[in-house]
Amino acid sequence: EVQLVQSGAEVIKPGESLKISCQGSGYSFTSYWIGWVRQMPGKGLEWMGIIYPGDSDTRYSPSFQGQVTISADKSISTAYLQWSSLKASDTAMYFCARPLISPGAFDIWGQGTMVTVSS
Amino acid sequence: AIRMTQSPSSFSASTGDRVTITCRASQGISSYLAWYQQKPGKAPKLLIYAASTLQSGVPSRFSGSGSGTDFTLTISCLQSEDFATYFCQQYYSYPLTFGGGTKVEIK
Repeated sequence: EVQLVQSGAEVIKPGESLKISCQGSGYSFTSYWIGWVRQMPGKGLEWMGIIYPGDSDTRYSPSFQGQVTISADKSISTAYLQWSSLKASDTAMYFCARPLISPGAFDIWGQGTMVTVSS
Repeated sequence: AIRMTQSPSSFSASTGDRVTITCRASQGISSYLAWYQQKPGKAPKLLIYAASTLQSGVPSRFSGSGSGTDFTLTISCLQSEDFATYFCQQYYSYPLTFGGGTKVEIK
């Protein structure tokens, strides 16, 4: 079964750093891009960026460029989303997702990781 | 960035109704459009890609149409499990962008 499994919920203080993960299984991890999507509480979906684990080619939305870092470790079939200094406004659900092609529609989604930034 | 505008943002309907949701792109995107369904607390689910291609396993009551800038998602006979929020997404160019969503509620 093709699936993406994300790391668990996080409660973080403002100013702290964080790295969340997304592990792929059931397919060739290095052959498909993996994207990240933010959903703030009660709001819509925002595309953050995407990485090709095969060669680490990465694209960012201008809205998130410089705010987050997307990376991947192909040896353990895992993609990452990280922040160096979180703000309260980063509180959101974060999904990883795999597109059929890239750019493309996302046919496989992780279950989401809720990040809460609060003092 | 290409802006995607969905309408309406929400509406109420009854089981058995035929419903249509519209998505408009700020510039032409050919047929590079997807539709997703999202239920509370869950990840989005791909319904349609390439504007009109039904994703495997999605019921045939869902259909999509359009090209260029104007697109529609139609549910031919609304079922109880279809009450959810629907999003369109363009993948014509980076940055990929989503519409604001349409919430379909029970009348």
